[in-house]
Amino acid sequence: GAVVSQHPSRVICKSGTSVKIECRSLDFQATTMFWYRQFPKQSLMLMATSNEGSKATYEQGVEKDKFLINHASLTLSTLTVTSAHPEDSSFYICSAMEGVTGELFFGEGSRLTVL
Amino acid sequence: GENVEQHPSTLSVQEGDSAVIKCTYSDSASNYFPWYKQELGKRPQLIIDIRSNVGEKKDQRIAVTLNKTAKHFSLHITETQPEDSAVYFCAASMGGYSTLTFGKGTMLLVSP
Repeated sequence: GAVVSQHPSRVICKSGTSVKIECRSLDFQATTMFWYRQFPKQSLMLMATSNEGSKATYEQGVEKDKFLINHASLTLSTLTVTSAHPEDSSFYICSAMEGVTGELFFGEGSRLTVL
Repeated sequence: GENVEQHPSTLSVQEGDSAVIKCTYSDSASNYFPWYKQELGKRPQLIIDIRSNVGEKKDQRIAVTLNKTAKHFSLHITETQPEDSAVYFCAASMGGYSTLTFGKGTMLLVSP
């Protein structure tokens, strides 16, 4: 199946710093990518829908200035957690939709720990 | 918007038994229902999906059934094995490029 690569897999940062997470579709072009947040033992919570060449669509309650999303190419979307705080610590997962079948492929996830 | 309810939240079975996880959805326009398996700390993996034009789909030990009238769909795993232990998520969407709405997940534990 198609491959989605997410980087970094783990990141530890100090409170107040910004962290960028990359999501790449390696063998297909993805006009639409999604970013999720997952707390321990909980479901995937959709944060935003990222469309190539346009502004991301954020879900209700998600601060767009806090979680900056850029989808500059058909194979790359980035999520930047700005001025991170300990409550932002979580598992962040991206997914990319394969254009022909509409099937969703997930990245490996990025575990963010804010000290 | 769409709302997906998933039950049970945890399920413990003995190896060799069958496991059934049920989901209901609210939006009658939804027509695509995938199931994902997520092992601890790893990415969700699609294990089976069904579209609204069929009522049942089977892939070896895994099957999914869909009742459009009642707006519910179920995952059936037969002859469970310890490696089936994971969290399973159901989801629903209107297909195409529509977003998926996920259920809260079911933690399946298969004991040897």
